Order: sequence, then structure tokens, then C-alpha cells
Amino acid sequence: DGGITQSPKYLFRKEGQNVTLSCEQNLNHDAMYWYRQDPGQGLRLIYYSQIVNDFQKGDIAEGYSVSREKKESFPLTVTSAQKNPTAFYLCASSYTGVWTEAFFGQGTRLTVV
Amino acid sequence: AQKVTQAQTEISVVEKEDVTLDCVYETRDTTYYLFWYKQPPSGELVFLIRRNSFDEQNEISGRYSWNFQKSTSSFNFTITASQVVDSAVYFCALSGYNQGGKLIFGQGTELSVKP
Repeated sequence: DGGITQSPKYLFRKEGQNVTLSCEQNLNHDAMYWYRQDPGQGLRLIYYSQIVNDFQKGDIAEGYSVSREKKESFPLTVTSAQKNPTAFYLCASSYTGVWTEAFFGQGTRLTVV
Repeated sequence: AQKVTQAQTEISVVEKEDVTLDCVYETRDTTYYLFWYKQPPSGELVFLIRRNSFDEQNEISGRYSWNFQKSTSSFNFTITASQVVDSAVYFCALSGYNQGGKLIFGQGTELSVKP
């Protein structure tokens, strides 16, 4: 079945640690996105990529990094520079173009302990 | 600047009631797209509908209907004869023509349908 797979579903991070969230898609989509969801604030864009080996910052990129070495994969690293990383992270993908809908993964819930 | 506002944070209805979720948007683009997504408790966002700025026809899909009015910058979503399975958070989103597919989301409306 085609879709987007995020792992892990739950992730716990200690203060000062970097952690990486995985996102894989087999929909043959060119574009991939990372969003952060906080209670009562909707979703905010962290990074996005429209093509392999290229990506752009979204509205809240500070403290995060990404890579796009393969079309299917778009991992997100939450660095120690991110002061408030506890949130629900959603990965999405779409065909390139504003007219297409994005498909979302099931999310990763990150908690700082 | 682009912005989406969903003023209703939470709505609670009894099964079989009709319910309307409001969405108001702001954009300077003349070409843009509006979306509604459903987020069940599992967390994944499920696509419901896409509408472009040149198509103001209302749309009906089963118990769901959408009313797009450019004059009031609104894209409201109505569920007729609500069911318990409709309980979820619903998001309205906007994508501008030159925004590379990036979505601007509203804050979401949490709908609770009680039996």
C-alpha cells in the first residue's frame, strides 16, 4: 500500500540531545514537508523540499535540520538548539504544485524528559 | 501575509445534529487553493476537499458540504446529520500560487459528537 511512514511513533529526548525523526514515502511524490503541531496552534511549517538535494526553511526552522538525499526520504533532526521541542511532528508529501493535496503520515510525538 | 482563522476552538453536538465549521482566510494572491483536513485521534491528517480560488461552486459529498464565498473570504464546512465517527479535529488550510505547496493552517476546530 502506498503511503507515508513516520517512525518512531513516540520519542523521548533528554536535554541536550539531538534526535532524528524518520519519514519515508512510496507515493513517488517530489515534494515533502515537516510540520509541527502544538495544542491550540494548528500546524506550522518547519522545512520543505521540492526536489532531491534541495530544501528550504519554513516558518519555524530554528533548532531543526533536514536532509533530502533520496526522493523517498526526508528525515528531520531536532537539535539541542531547539529550546521547546516537545510537540507532535507530522511529515507530508505531495506532487509538486500548489493544486495538489498533501498526504500526511501518522506523526511522531516527541517529549523532552 | 497569508492567514487562516478558525474561530471555533471546540464544538459539541448531539448525534444527528447539523454542524458548521467556520473558516476565514486572508491572502493577497489572486490564485490560491483552500483545503479541509480531518485529524482523528490517531493523529494522521486525512484530506477532505480542495477548492481553487476560481471555483466558487459549492460542493456536496455525502453528509459533507462546503460553502466557498470569495466576497467574505470564507470556506465553511457543514456536516449534516452528524455521527459519533465525525468526532475529530478539523483543519482549514490555504496554499498560495507561488508558495511551493506550503500549507497555512488554521488553529483547528475540535468537534465532539455525542450519542
